Amino acid sequence: GESVGLHLPTLSVQEGDNSIINCAYSNSASDYFIWYKQESGKGPQFIIDIRSNMDKRQGQRVTVLLNKTVKHLSLQIAATQPGDSAVYFCAETIRLRGGYNKLIFGAGTRLAVHP
Amino acid sequence: GAVVSQHPSRVICKSGTSVKIECRSLDFQATTMFWYRQFPKQSLMLMATSNEGSKATYEQGVEKDKFLINHASLTLSTLTVTSAHPEDSSFYICSARVQAGSPLHFGNGTRLTVT
Repeated sequence: GESVGLHLPTLSVQEGDNSIINCAYSNSASDYFIWYKQESGKGPQFIIDIRSNMDKRQGQRVTVLLNKTVKHLSLQIAATQPGDSAVYFCAETIRLRGGYNKLIFGAGTRLAVHP
Repeated sequence: GAVVSQHPSRVICKSGTSVKIECRSLDFQATTMFWYRQFPKQSLMLMATSNEGSKATYEQGVEKDKFLINHASLTLSTLTVTSAHPEDSSFYICSARVQAGSPLHFGNGTRLTVT
């Protein structure tokens, strides 16, 4: 199947530091990307999105960077807090015939924030 | 807004029985809903795209006769796992979007355990 994840890599950071989570996507035709946060036992929660006509977008404490040349996304979290501890997934939109599209998830990264 | 509700949150069933999972969009109408499956420490794998009033579109490798999807209204899609086996034990998550091109919103998932 698409986007099969194995064991999640972990990023450990100190509270207050900035975090950078990276993601490589697969389809050069993808034009819409989303970062999701997933806490244990819950569904993914939308964080921020970006379209392919942009290379940077900022939200509250978060920034997404898109490099289409190398098919790479990153999520930057400023002043990381314990509540940011979760698994983070990037997702790309793949367009289908008939105007439909589907969202395919990357492998995910676990962010562990230490006091 | 854009709340997706999933029920039940947890279910334990015996091998050979069937289990139905409901996904509702509470404050918007969703012509398309998506069903994902997630194994421990892995990413979300798209199972099928559920279209209101028509047949679901299944991803490669997903058995349509085993995972029955019904999308009878604009606010409800159901996934029935038929003749469940222990290897079907997983976290099943549904999602929906307000309109094409907008982010998917996810339910909080259903933890299925088949004994």
